[in-house]
Amino acid sequence: DVVMTQSPLSLPVTLGQPASISCRSSQSLVYSDGNTYLNWFQQRPGQSPRRLIYKVSNRDSGVPDRFSGSGSGTDFTLKISRVEAEDVGVYYCMQGTHWPPAFGGGTKVEIK
Amino acid sequence: QVQLQQSGPGLVKPSQTLSLTCAISGDSVSSNSAAWNWIRQSPSRGLEWLGRTYYRSKWYNDYAVSVKSRITINPDTSKNQFSLQLNSVTPEDTAVYYCARGTGGGYDPSTFDYWGQGTLVTVSS
Repeated sequence: DVVMTQSPLSLPVTLGQPASISCRSSQSLVYSDGNTYLNWFQQRPGQSPRRLIYKVSNRDSGVPDRFSGSGSGTDFTLKISRVEAEDVGVYYCMQGTHWPPAFGGGTKVEIK
Repeated sequence: QVQLQQSGPGLVKPSQTLSLTCAISGDSVSSNSAAWNWIRQSPSRGLEWLGRTYYRSKWYNDYAVSVKSRITINPDTSKNQFSLQLNSVTPEDTAVYYCARGTGGGYDPSTFDYWGQGTLVTVSS
């Protein structure tokens, strides 16, 4: 099975400053159709996970443009250009290329 | 807008069966493009995909190896919902359980775009 590894585990950020989360997969996530099925989810305290990004860099409807995803192959990044208070929570990457789907361990974003 | 509403008990005794239901609005459990999943979350295991059911001219089920001998996911077309049964539970099955709409079927790529509200299930006597 594919293993997803995120870093850092915890990310204290000053309001208005950028934040960056890394996700690495144990195998390439490029599918036979040429797409890369790497997703990012946000889980605010006490809430269900919410998908932010799919196929590496596509934002879901309603997701602020301060969130962006990038990467290729086995290395991926989620960036928040200017962290706001509502961004506090845990962020997960998830691969859907290989069976079974797998999530990373999460990165907790908190305000300094 | 798709909404998933979960129901079921929050406390199950060891060796008994965990049963949860996920009611769907805004989509159909018989959709030819969606898959209906159960995912759980615990401090020790993180987010763990458990299984799914989906319809592609006939019904299919896929289950995670870790629970394959104990799990059943069933669609209920009359109520537009699907259910999870996990047999012979132990305290290690204590977790928040989520239902989620997914894509794909077979070995097609998957993602999860809508999630239920989550149900904390505690396994304890």
